[in-house]
Amino acid sequence: ETGVTQTPRHLVMGMTNKKSLKCEQHLGHNAMYWYKQSAKKPLELMFVYSLEERVENNSVPSRFSPECPNSSHLFLHLHTLQPEDSALYLCASSPTGREGRYEQYFGPGTRLTVT
Amino acid sequence: RKEVEQDPGPFNVPEGATVAFNCTYSNSASQSFFWYRQDCRKEPKLLMSVYSSGNEDGRFTAQLNRASQYISLLIRDSKLSDSATYLCVVNGADGDSWGKLQFGAGTQVVVTP
Repeated sequence: ETGVTQTPRHLVMGMTNKKSLKCEQHLGHNAMYWYKQSAKKPLELMFVYSLEERVENNSVPSRFSPECPNSSHLFLHLHTLQPEDSALYLCASSPTGREGRYEQYFGPGTRLTVT
Repeated sequence: RKEVEQDPGPFNVPEGATVAFNCTYSNSASQSFFWYRQDCRKEPKLLMSVYSSGNEDGRFTAQLNRASQYISLLIRDSKLSDSATYLCVVNGADGDSWGKLQFGAGTQVVVTP
């Protein structure tokens, strides 16, 4: 199952560090997403890109900066994070919704710990 | 009110038994419905889409009740490997081409020997 891949799988960073999360989808989808999942909480949508254009920014702090250079790649740049940002960060992709197909396929996630 | 609500469980189910649980959603205009399963510390994986007429996939049966705004999942002949958290997912149905999904917090199912 390598439809959506994410690197790194685990990341520990200090509050002053800058790091990037990478996501790649091999499914030919047109939409890509970043989610945050904290313990015992539902998935929180962070950003959505449709055809490489950002269509949703769900009130995410500016210390998280997404980048979508093409429809297969998505990045999340991290800068001066806080300990409460420690979570599982999930990338997902989906076909265009024109056919009414909205199911999303997830990558394995990056487990981020901010110290 | 949460957009998608689920009983968190856990539902403790003897192996071979049947378990069923529901999820309610608040947006009456929602068009697409899904069940995902999520194993501990893993990513959510699509289990099945839910169609208006109800649908079955092996031991799993999903139903949609638009009038009462809930969907259900029934698991027959439970296996130990069915132990997971089941996420109810509903499309926001606002006409966007990318489809904004609302995720429930999940229902935990524990199948015991």
